[in-house]
Amino acid sequence: AQKITQTQPGMFVQEKEAVTLDCTYDTSDQSYGLFWYKQPSSGEMIFLIYQGSYDEQNATEGRYSLNFQKARKSANLVISASQLGDSAMYFCALAGGTSYGKLTFGQGTILTVHP
Amino acid sequence: DTAVSQTPKYLVTQMGNDKSIKCEQNLGHDTMYWYKQDSKKFLKIMFSYNNKELIINETVPNRFSPKSPDKAHLNLHINSLELGDSAVYFCASSQGLAGANEQYFGPGTRLTVT
Repeated sequence: AQKITQTQPGMFVQEKEAVTLDCTYDTSDQSYGLFWYKQPSSGEMIFLIYQGSYDEQNATEGRYSLNFQKARKSANLVISASQLGDSAMYFCALAGGTSYGKLTFGQGTILTVHP
Repeated sequence: DTAVSQTPKYLVTQMGNDKSIKCEQNLGHDTMYWYKQDSKKFLKIMFSYNNKELIINETVPNRFSPKSPDKAHLNLHINSLELGDSAVYFCASSQGLAGANEQYFGPGTRLTVT
């Protein structure tokens, strides 16, 4: 069974500062993928970043980076230089190698960026 | 050019009615999904199709019936709607079934059952 846990219901950050959103996971698959999605108040789901279980380097996409610690089963999202437009719900998701693409989502973290 | 589109965006209906939500993707993907987001924002997969074949069928009431007429379309029909069906339904698509493939989501359909 796959499980994703996001323990921070809400986070606050000042504009231009960095913030880390926590995500831990559990899976029996050796091969799996970890994803982060952003859901602004408008409701759409926006893909941010992906990390494969066999990737040796942490994934980065612009201001987003994924702090992947395989032994700890954590995949934290780091947003650098926060912007007001980063205020949104953020979801961590897991797709196991045997899950046929099924994404298992965490509970989400609401990020609020203060000016 | 919308990659994954859903119609309608909003759907308000009464208990007991039957309704459908349509989804189309123009990305050339071979796998499509339906997810349900409840009032607490929790997202859970309902179904997935790969090349028109049902691959995932989670524990969903059989009042929900997906149909995939071709690889680019995946529709969701719901019979005898109940209050608990009120949610946002997202369609998504990806290429292949591997865990590594990013899923592109549609804008969602907000279903309200009164």
